[in-house]
Amino acid sequence: GQQLNQSPQSMFIQEGEDVSMNCTSSSIFNTWLWYKQDPGEGPVLLIALYKAGELTSNGRLTAQFGITRKDSFLNISASIPSDVGIYFCAGQNYGGSQGNLIFGKGTKLSVKP
Amino acid sequence: NAGVTQTPKFRILKIGQSMTLQCAQDMNHNYMYWYRQDPGMGLKLIYYSVGAGITDKGEVPNGYNVSRSTTEDFPLRLELAAPSQTSVYFCASSPRQGVTNYGYTFGSGTRLTVV
Repeated sequence: GQQLNQSPQSMFIQEGEDVSMNCTSSSIFNTWLWYKQDPGEGPVLLIALYKAGELTSNGRLTAQFGITRKDSFLNISASIPSDVGIYFCAGQNYGGSQGNLIFGKGTKLSVKP
Repeated sequence: NAGVTQTPKFRILKIGQSMTLQCAQDMNHNYMYWYRQDPGMGLKLIYYSVGAGITDKGEVPNGYNVSRSTTEDFPLRLELAAPSQTSVYFCASSPRQGVTNYGYTFGSGTRLTVV
């Protein structure tokens, strides 16, 4: 089945720094999504991308749907302590079981005040 | 609006015991999903349902069963618990697939330990 490679696995940064993480796939997706999971909670949707090349922002977060439809990246600008958590990318196609989300293994972000 | 509610939050089972993880959503979503999350491994799909009375296997269904008698509820059953089923389980729902799907809404998880 389709697999997503998400990198880096973990990041330990200073407050105020910018963060960049990405996801690549061996096959194309029609939708890319980015989720954040706080400790002890379920993932929460941050950004959804529906078109190749699309660039979308949500506050300090910016995500792009790669032009090849096989990759996506998420940037966080001017990180703050509450950005701590695990960030997951997810890809989706349409129709039947192909419509189920496939998740990357996550990027664990730690922010030092 | 409660969203997706999972119970219990924590549970310790002995090997061979059985239990049901409960999941309920109040958003009238057709699609519901069960995932397990192991450290560093992301989320693996166990079972999913596209509507009441319809369920299908995901990537890691062995050792689990589901039912979907109503739109709201999607319980996950473990019949003979094994240590390999120690994990955090997440239930999720979505209104439909396709270009207008804004992703899944997740519950807050059930942390299960099998000893």
